[in-house]
Amino acid sequence: NAGVTQTPKFRILKIGQSMTLQCAQDMNHNYMYWYRQDPGMGLKLIYYSVGAGITDKGEVPNGYNVSRSTTEDFPLRLELAAPSQTSVYFCASSSPPGLVSDTQYFGPGTRLTVL
Amino acid sequence: LAKTTQPISMDSYEGQEVNITCSHNNIATNDYITWYQQFPSQGPRFIIQGYKTKVTNEVASLFIPADRKSSTLSLPRVSLSDTAVYYCLVGDSENYGGATNKLIFGTGTLLAVQP
Repeated sequence: NAGVTQTPKFRILKIGQSMTLQCAQDMNHNYMYWYRQDPGMGLKLIYYSVGAGITDKGEVPNGYNVSRSTTEDFPLRLELAAPSQTSVYFCASSSPPGLVSDTQYFGPGTRLTVL
Repeated sequence: LAKTTQPISMDSYEGQEVNITCSHNNIATNDYITWYQQFPSQGPRFIIQGYKTKVTNEVASLFIPADRKSSTLSLPRVSLSDTAVYYCLVGDSENYGGATNKLIFGTGTLLAVQP
């Protein structure tokens, strides 16, 4: 089991460029999440998905888009990168709430810098 | 909104027991209390979860009083490798439509363990 994997590990973007952060999990989890973590701060939820084809906004969705075509993959898209999107991005997955093992498993993160 | 409040930082020495208290006055009836640990440049890692009274696993204990407005994470005999940020979270079911997996991360408690 690889768990939750994220690519790339690091990326530098210029203002206005676009990119997709990849996230995959091999635990057959229905729920997947994208968070961002600014220096010295906690994580903030960007988007989440409760299953293939279903996504919804979290706390800070502006400037991002997501899709969920399969159970395994949950890519995060930045269309017009801005310096305010400089952050570390974490993807996570879990079983549905209410189950014994519904804790979230996090990936290693993607460090994004927008200049 | 089920927000949490915890100390920004704590210091300890190797071999001591460390207790980190978190307040969550607006916790909802269906919310669980979950603690995560985060090392620098890594994603958060689940430590322990509980609903009421006391929960213990191989890593830590979690004490929750009857009113559930606070909780205490207890780490027995800490070592240098326990230096990390510890997050207390409760599921924000009110804000995100009922799924207790939609967690709100605060700034966490930075635990520094010294020799």
